[in-house]
Amino acid sequence: KAGVTQTPRYLIKTRGQQVTLSCSPISGHRSVSWYQQTPGQGLQFLFEYFSETQRNKGNFPGRFSGRQFSNSRSEMNVSTLELGDSALYLCASSPAGAPGEQYFGPGTRLTVT
Amino acid sequence: ELKVEQNPLFLSMQEGKNYTIYCNYSTTSDRLYWYRQDPGKSLESLFVLLSNGAVKQEGRLMASLDTKARLSTLHITAAVHDLSATYFCAVDSLNTGNQFYFGTGTSLTVIP
Repeated sequence: KAGVTQTPRYLIKTRGQQVTLSCSPISGHRSVSWYQQTPGQGLQFLFEYFSETQRNKGNFPGRFSGRQFSNSRSEMNVSTLELGDSALYLCASSPAGAPGEQYFGPGTRLTVT
Repeated sequence: ELKVEQNPLFLSMQEGKNYTIYCNYSTTSDRLYWYRQDPGKSLESLFVLLSNGAVKQEGRLMASLDTKARLSTLHITAAVHDLSATYFCAVDSLNTGNQFYFGTGTSLTVIP
């Protein structure tokens, strides 16, 4: 079974731009969660989508948004990028009915200059 | 807000030695997870602890959970160089769905 895939793997953007990251979960998984990892703040939960609905949301500004499609693929968008948004963005997928069973993708390394 | 603390943050140990990493969390939760992260890589699941008193072992690593003390430990036995990595614990929020709160991570270096 293929694992969680994320595209692109690396991205360089300029302050003020916007960016869209993509995550394809493991086949059959309906939950996708997003996390931001930075040296200063560590791993922080952004949001979770289940069956195309946002089910949980972390404490991030509205510039961070996401969505999930009917095939469970998910995208997250960051608008008006700031230098502090430079981070590794990880997505994780989970099968329905298996709380806590999260499988992480390789991540997207975003650098904002 | 749920807080998860790990200590130590950095750990340098010689091969063959034993050590324990501690994970304390601030609110009631019966689900605790340990992950390993190698530099530049993603998170690899090590253990899933789902009840008080749970103990799991895999190779030289053993994890335990005490929900009353809100404490989990990751014990390393006879460390080898291949165990060098950053280890994270995470606690479930108990909300419906998946929302993990991660500890700060413990960077482990095993010296030959």
